[in-house]
Amino acid sequence: SQELEQSPQSLIVQEGKNLTINCTSSKTLYGLYWYKQKYGEGLIFLMMLQKGGEEKSHEKITAKLDEKKQQSSLHITASQPSHAGIYLCGADPTYSGGGADGLTFGKGTHLIIQP
Amino acid sequence: DAGVIQSPRHEVTEMGQEVTLRCKPISGHNSLFWYRQTMMRGLELLIYFNNNVPIDDSGMPEDRFSAKMPNASFSTLKIQPSEPRDSAVYFCASSPNYGYTFGSGTRLTVV
Repeated sequence: SQELEQSPQSLIVQEGKNLTINCTSSKTLYGLYWYKQKYGEGLIFLMMLQKGGEEKSHEKITAKLDEKKQQSSLHITASQPSHAGIYLCGADPTYSGGGADGLTFGKGTHLIIQP
Repeated sequence: DAGVIQSPRHEVTEMGQEVTLRCKPISGHNSLFWYRQTMMRGLELLIYFNNNVPIDDSGMPEDRFSAKMPNASFSTLKIQPSEPRDSAVYFCASSPNYGYTFGSGTRLTVV
């Protein structure tokens, strides 16, 4: 079965600083999803990557999938208090990449933004 | 669109009692997923349905857990009898075969 390891497990960053969260897979990633979860709430979709070398951005958040498709990184530029929460990566274990058979998730990275 | 709706938001029950969690997926989404989130194990897929048919329930931890989807707009996850180790946040998600939308979850506490 596919396993996803996220690092770091938790991160405390001063407001305005940049940060990076990593997601490493034990197998090839056919579809890699990034979600954000606020404490006590559901998961909010951020981005989905499929192609090796692909990079997507949404506001100040950029996600990349490496060429070998076994690692993804999430980068936040000029962090703000609204970025605080738990970031989870999820992978589709099948070739379809669409997640129709369920996603496997990492355990998440807890991000705290200090004013 | 109201999104994926789960009820109740919070449930506290005594060990041995039956618990039923409910989910209304987004209209038109043909796949529905039940996940459980704990600090120790993270987010785990319990079972998923495609066009109301259960496809894979290998993630259901024990026979105490059962899930149904009687129609395209409603699903339930039942635990009978409940145990303290079932305490977790249970999420429902729906998908139109590409991408997911999650509900806000049900926080279950079994005492």
